[in-house]
Amino acid sequence: ETGVTQTPRHLVMGMTNKKSLKCEQHLGHNAMYWYKQSAKKPLELMFVYSLEERVENNSVPSRFSPECPNSSHLFLHLHTLQPEDSALYLCASKGSASNEQFFGPGTRLTVL
Amino acid sequence: QKEVEQNSGPLSVPEGAIASLNCTYSDRVSQSFFWYRQYSGKSPELIMSIYSNGDKEDGRFTAQLNKASQYVSLLIRDSQPSDSATYLCALSTGGGNKLTFGTGTQLKVEL
Repeated sequence: ETGVTQTPRHLVMGMTNKKSLKCEQHLGHNAMYWYKQSAKKPLELMFVYSLEERVENNSVPSRFSPECPNSSHLFLHLHTLQPEDSALYLCASKGSASNEQFFGPGTRLTVL
Repeated sequence: QKEVEQNSGPLSVPEGAIASLNCTYSDRVSQSFFWYRQYSGKSPELIMSIYSNGDKEDGRFTAQLNKASQYVSLLIRDSQPSDSATYLCALSTGGGNKLTFGTGTQLKVEL
């Protein structure tokens, strides 16, 4: 595997389900990000982890719970989501040498 | 005022023409600027980074930065149908850990 990978690529879940999104970066980076992309809106930064510590949480509802067990892996745990949470969820990573962020392919989430 | 502003388009150009995409920003302390290309249903792909005033060229792409006027642009020479995508402008703030994105400009290159 190379770059940033995300699983699953597509997810359909009911409002009472619990699911998790997984992200893995193979770039040796030390910062990882979760973004939400909805139609006609700019990318919304959700969480930032730097050296496995959460450094930013942009007022994200508690039904989204991030986890960063090490510098290569990032999870987003989902529970009791709402239909308006349906979106493309993107993971990105960044190294210490520059501010460039590299994105994974995303998970297309649909909440019924 | 939005932090990063882009015209949503669509911007239509004929094949072989130069496409010019523009972005303005409000935060004067922004230091790093990026252009991402996003095809429909795909994730953003970094195509250009620019850090200092002036032009930076990479193949058919040229990024232009003017910090005094707070704008950054992307020129695509010899536009191809495969360039049809949404182009996102982004800039780094807060010490570099965070990127702020515009809503993107949709480019259509027509045969």
